[in-house]
Amino acid sequence: QKEVEQDPGPLSVPEGAIVSLNCTYSNSAFQYFMWYRQYSRKGPELLMYTYSSGNKEDGRFTAQVDKSSKYISLFIRDSQPSDSATYLCATLRGGAQKLVFGQGTRLTINP
Amino acid sequence: DSGVTQTPKHLITATGQRVTLRCSPRSGDLSVYWYQQSLDQGLQFLIQYYNGEERAKGNILERFSAQQFPDLHSELNLSSLELGDSALYFCASSVDWSDTQYFGPGTRLTVL
Repeated sequence: QKEVEQDPGPLSVPEGAIVSLNCTYSNSAFQYFMWYRQYSRKGPELLMYTYSSGNKEDGRFTAQVDKSSKYISLFIRDSQPSDSATYLCATLRGGAQKLVFGQGTRLTINP
Repeated sequence: DSGVTQTPKHLITATGQRVTLRCSPRSGDLSVYWYQQSLDQGLQFLIQYYNGEERAKGNILERFSAQQFPDLHSELNLSSLELGDSALYFCASSVDWSDTQYFGPGTRLTVL
């Protein structure tokens, strides 16, 4: 079983829709949670970084962490074609140096 | 632009060969990480260096090695290359281990 599970999609939605991307993780020692966006042929770029359970909002993006169920989500409101990319969830165990990534979900926003 | 640079952008080589990938971290970042991204395995952590010293190791093959130099740039050496080593190799950097990691544009390695 992978430490972080993420549905690879692909996911295709119309412009303006609310997008929900999800990951589950198995190790309760994970304390930091991140969402990265990766455009084709580019390196991942950090979108959201959270530590505790609850919601964190940044513009059209909301990251949600539920440590009790080991579930992390990213919501994108008013989705735009420029949001089309692969979204990777990642976790970091306190005291550790390595990021553990999900498989990534390929998202397409159709105009 | 993350501020992390990687060279070369593309590498095409043959099985059994040896290649070196280079990474320059963001100004002020002491920690460098190497990741491998393939279609079947996703993004996998290979190794981390902090201020010249190895700090963490992931699933890095014995045929692979890395180092970080006094000017903080890092090199990833891949030897006895196999077809399965074809992948995107990313370098990331951060100020310290718990800080945000910023990724470079990657090197695409193709082994024929």
